[in-house]
Amino acid sequence: SAVISQKPSRDICQRGTSLTIQCQVDSQVTMMFWYRQQPGQSLTLIATANQGSEATYESGFVIDKFPISRPNLTFSTLTVSNMSPEDSSIYLCSVERGSYGYTFGSGTRLTVV
Amino acid sequence: SQQGEEDPQALSIQEGENATMNCSYKTSINNLQWYRQNSGRGLVHLILIRSNEREKHSGRLRVTLDTSKKSSSLLITASRAADTASYFCAHSGNTPLVFGKGTRLSVIA
Repeated sequence: SAVISQKPSRDICQRGTSLTIQCQVDSQVTMMFWYRQQPGQSLTLIATANQGSEATYESGFVIDKFPISRPNLTFSTLTVSNMSPEDSSIYLCSVERGSYGYTFGSGTRLTVV
Repeated sequence: SQQGEEDPQALSIQEGENATMNCSYKTSINNLQWYRQNSGRGLVHLILIRSNEREKHSGRLRVTLDTSKKSSSLLITASRAADTASYFCAHSGNTPLVFGKGTRLSVIA
């Protein structure tokens, strides 16, 4: 089963700045998924990251705000750009493992002040 | 929105009791999955039930799926204080995983 290393685990950032979150998977995967979990809420899919192509963004999320990189089959980054307090959330990456569901990174708890 | 609903939103029980959480969804699915999240950390996959299955067991967990009603339930038997967490259902079809709103379970020792 895949293991995902996600970092940073948490950060406190000033508004207007950007934060890049990294996820490293211990095996090659075609697609990686990025989710946002706002305080007290469920998970919402931000985008699907495919290696070698542009990420596919869900409604309400745009590339300028959440640029994603996928340089190879084991790594992806999500950047939260020009942050505001409304971006304070937990951000999680995940990969699909077929019959075993999805494996998630441990999450990045972002606070924007 | 394709997001499903879960009820109850919060559940508080005594240790040893059973906990039942329900989930409804809106679209056709390939499978339905249940996840657990402790204190806003990463999610842990508990169990996956395919659309052609009606019931599945894993340890103290029992999941049912009724595709005609577009609903599922998660039963945790003989609950323990360590079961305290948020539980989410999520369904997969032609789209990536879509999560329900979750149930916060508190098991009191």
